[in-house]
Amino acid sequence: NAGVTQTPKFQVLKTGQSMTLQCAQDMNHEYMSWYRQDPGMGLRLIHYSVGAGITDQGEVPNGYNVSRSTTEDFPLRLLSAAPSQTSVYFCASTALSGSSYNEQFFGPGTRLTVL
Amino acid sequence: AQKVTQAQTEISVVEKEDVTLDCVYETRDTTYYLFWYKQPPSGELVFLIRRNSFDEQNEISGRYSWNFQKSTSSFNFTITASQVVDSAVYFCALSEASQGAQKLVFGQGTRLTINP
Repeated sequence: NAGVTQTPKFQVLKTGQSMTLQCAQDMNHEYMSWYRQDPGMGLRLIHYSVGAGITDQGEVPNGYNVSRSTTEDFPLRLLSAAPSQTSVYFCASTALSGSSYNEQFFGPGTRLTVL
Repeated sequence: AQKVTQAQTEISVVEKEDVTLDCVYETRDTTYYLFWYKQPPSGELVFLIRRNSFDEQNEISGRYSWNFQKSTSSFNFTITASQVVDSAVYFCALSEASQGAQKLVFGQGTRLTINP
C-alpha cells in the first residue's frame, strides 16, 4: 500500500493563478479531508468528504474547491491563488469502520508559496 | 465549541531527561476522541495514539506514555529517557462524535528539542 499520496511536494504560484493539489489513497477509505498548516496555528480543516459525490466545508473553506468523483481521489483546487494561501497542505484519509476506525492517515504534504 | 490548547510552545531538554507535553481540551460532547501526532523535521505527520472518551486508562508504549484525565480535561504525553530522535513538533488533537468523529481540531503544537 502506498497509503496517502500528494502531488506536487512543492509549488510556487503567482497571485491570481489557479492550480490543483492532488491527493490519492489506496486504502479504500471512505473519509478524506484537507488541512492547512500555518506557523503557530496547528492544522485547520479546509474541506472533507465522507464518500464519492459528497463533500462539505471545514473551518477555513474560502478560496478552495473540492470534488470527490472516486473513492481514491480528492483534489483541492485553488481558483485564484492569494498570498494568504501560502501554507503547507495535508491530505488525510480514514476508515469509517473496522479496526482502523477514526485513525487518520496523512499524506506527506504540499508546500505552497503564493507570491 | 471544541478547542485544544498546548500551552508549551517550545521545550528544550538534554538527552535522557524525561519530558511531559501538556494538552488541555474543551468539548461539550460526552463522546469524543483524542489524538497525538508527531511531526519530525522531515515534515510528515506520524500518528502516535488515539483515545476515546470512555477509556481513561493510561497507556504506555515503550518510552512513550499518555495520561488521560477527564476531570481536568487533559491528555498529557510523557517521553521517558528522551533521545535526539524525539526532536519534533508534537500535536494534540480532538474530534467530537456529534461533529463527525473524523473532523480533527488541532492544538498549536509543541516544538520539542532534545539536545545531546
